[in-house]
Amino acid sequence: DGGITQSPKYLFRKEGQNVTLSCEQNLNHDAMYWYRQDPGQGLRLIYYSQIVNDFQKGDIAEGYSVSREKKESFPLTVTSAQKNPTAFYLCASSMRQGVTEAFFGQGTRLTVV
Amino acid sequence: DQQVKQNSPSLSVQEGRISILNCDYTNSMFDYFLWYKKYPAEGPTFLISISSIKDKNEDGRFTVFLNKSAKHLSLHIVPSQPGDSAVYFCAASNRFYGQNFVFGPGTRLSVLP
Repeated sequence: DGGITQSPKYLFRKEGQNVTLSCEQNLNHDAMYWYRQDPGQGLRLIYYSQIVNDFQKGDIAEGYSVSREKKESFPLTVTSAQKNPTAFYLCASSMRQGVTEAFFGQGTRLTVV
Repeated sequence: DQQVKQNSPSLSVQEGRISILNCDYTNSMFDYFLWYKKYPAEGPTFLISISSIKDKNEDGRFTVFLNKSAKHLSLHIVPSQPGDSAVYFCAASNRFYGQNFVFGPGTRLSVLP
């Protein structure tokens, strides 16, 4: 089945550690996105990528990094520089940026302990 | 500056009745609007979209209305079912420029049996 897979579903990290969240899609979509959701808030854009080997900062990119070496994969690294990393992280993809609907993965809940 | 607003954080409706969820936007360049439904600890699911050249789009129990002059759209769910209980996000973009989706903060719908 086509879709977006995020792993792991739950992740615990100690303060000061970097952690990488996985996102893979087999929809042959060009655009991929990372969002963060905090309780009672909407989705805030962290990074996005329109094409392989290219990505752009979103509204809240500080403390995060990404790579897009393959069309199918868009991993997000939460670095120790991110001050409030505990959140629900969502990966999405769309055929083209902002032109067609985006499809979301199931999310990763990151908790810093 | 919140470009997409959902002023009702929550809404309760009786099963079988109509649910109306509202969304307002400030950016007149938006020309593509979407509604997503989200259950707790899951990724959002695309429901329905509308282009600015239309004022109505229907898909089964879901209808989206767009009032461009008022910069307002609404999602109607008829009849409402308990399984519709979720958080609903409104999102907007500019398709011509391939602008990223901007999401509202969401409205939590509770459908009471």
